[in-house]
Amino acid sequence: DAKTTQPTSMDCAEGRAANLPCNHSTISGNEYVYWYRQIHSQGPQYIIHGLKNNETNEMASLIITEDRKSSTLILPHATLRDTAVYYCIVRGRGNAGNMLTFGGGTRLMVKP
Amino acid sequence: KAGVTQTPRYLIKTRGQQVTLSCSPISGHRSVSWYQQTPGQGLQFLFEYFSETQRNKGNFPGRFSGRQFSNSRSEMNVSTLELGDSALYLCASRESPGQGAYEQYFGPGTRLTVT
Repeated sequence: DAKTTQPTSMDCAEGRAANLPCNHSTISGNEYVYWYRQIHSQGPQYIIHGLKNNETNEMASLIITEDRKSSTLILPHATLRDTAVYYCIVRGRGNAGNMLTFGGGTRLMVKP
Repeated sequence: KAGVTQTPRYLIKTRGQQVTLSCSPISGHRSVSWYQQTPGQGLQFLFEYFSETQRNKGNFPGRFSGRQFSNSRSEMNVSTLELGDSALYLCASRESPGQGAYEQYFGPGTRLTVT
C-alpha cells in the first residue's frame, strides 16, 4: 500500500468547513483513497473513498487532485461530534486489501 | 440497517483466564474481520472469516482464535490471558472480501482489561 502523510493536528470552528489534507505521492493507478475516522474510545468509522473522481456522500466530500498525489476530505459544516482522529489510507484491489492499516492520522478538534 | 454490534462492551479478566467476544455483522455482510487496538501498537489485524472459513490471519499467537457461524456471526477467543492482551478488540464487517468490497464497517469494540 502507498504511504500517506497527514498533518498531526488541526482545529476547526464549529459550523465551518473542515478541510483535511492527505499526501500520497507514491499512489499507483489501481489504488483507492479511503478515509476513516475514530472518535475517542470507539471503533473506526468508514467515511468515504474514491479512485480519481471527486466523491460526495452524506458525511463528507473527497477531492482528489488530477495527478492523484494528494486529496482533501471536506466536512462541510463541522460539529463538535466531528472531533476525532481522521485517517487517510491508500489501498489496492484484491483479497489482500482487507488488512486495514492506520497510520498516525490527523487529530481534528472542532471548537465552539 | 443496524450496524455492527459487539458484546460485551467492557470486560475485566484475570491473567490465565480465557475470554470469548462476540460480533454480529451488518445484515447481508458475510465477511467479518477482527482487530486489536492498543495505544502502543495501533490497529493490528487478527483474522478474517468468510463463509465460516478463516481466510487471512495476522501475526498473533495461537492463543487467539476465532470462528464464524452460518448466520455470519463471529466469535473470537483468547485463552490463557496475559496482561498484554488488554486492548480494544474491534470487529469489522463487509459484504465479501472480493474486489470492490472495500468498505469495512466497524463495531464499537470490546474493551478488555486483564489484571
